[in-house]
Amino acid sequence: NAGVTQTPKFQVLKTGQSMTLQCAQDMNHEYMSWYRQDPGMGLRLIHYSVGAGITDQGEVPNGYNVSRSTTEDFPLRLLSAAPSQTSVYFCASIGNNNEQFFGPGTRLTVL
Amino acid sequence: AQSVSQHNHHVILSEAASLELGCNYSYGGTVNLFWYVQYPGQHLQLLLKYFSGDPLVKGIKGFEAEFIKSKFSFNLRKPSVQWSDTAEYFCAVNSGNNNDMRFGAGTRLTVKP
Repeated sequence: NAGVTQTPKFQVLKTGQSMTLQCAQDMNHEYMSWYRQDPGMGLRLIHYSVGAGITDQGEVPNGYNVSRSTTEDFPLRLLSAAPSQTSVYFCASIGNNNEQFFGPGTRLTVL
Repeated sequence: AQSVSQHNHHVILSEAASLELGCNYSYGGTVNLFWYVQYPGQHLQLLLKYFSGDPLVKGIKGFEAEFIKSKFSFNLRKPSVQWSDTAEYFCAVNSGNNNDMRFGAGTRLTVKP
């Protein structure tokens, strides 16, 4: 099992550009989530999904869209990037015992 | 929604010192509690978790945590830290019947050799 994979590892955008952060898991987990990690603020939940076709907002959803067309994939879209979205983004999936498995992260810089 | 507070932002210890990192949460119902560790440049890894049963939970690498329901606390402890324990530690909680996981702001631990 590859676990949770994320691409790209690093990305630099200009303000106003759009991009999609990819996340995939091969553990057949129903629940997947996206977090952003900022210094002194821990991880904050952006969006989550409890299964294919179902998504919901987390703590800081503004500026981000998600979709869940398959169990495996949970992409995060930035429609118009802003400097405030400079962060490290982690995707995670939850197993049967509520344990979260994290991806390696994507470091995004918005200029 | 529940929230998590970690009291120490940065802790500096010498090797072999004992460690205790504080974690308090605000939620009145059933909770699942977690401690994660993030080594420099890496993603979060699970140290230990509490769902029910014995409130003293033992995790990997000699870490343990005690759930004290009356104090809404889940403090992390290790009797003798090593230089390799230098990392950031996150406490997290979700309620028993949903998957909305909330993390504390993290505590950075620096262990001096």
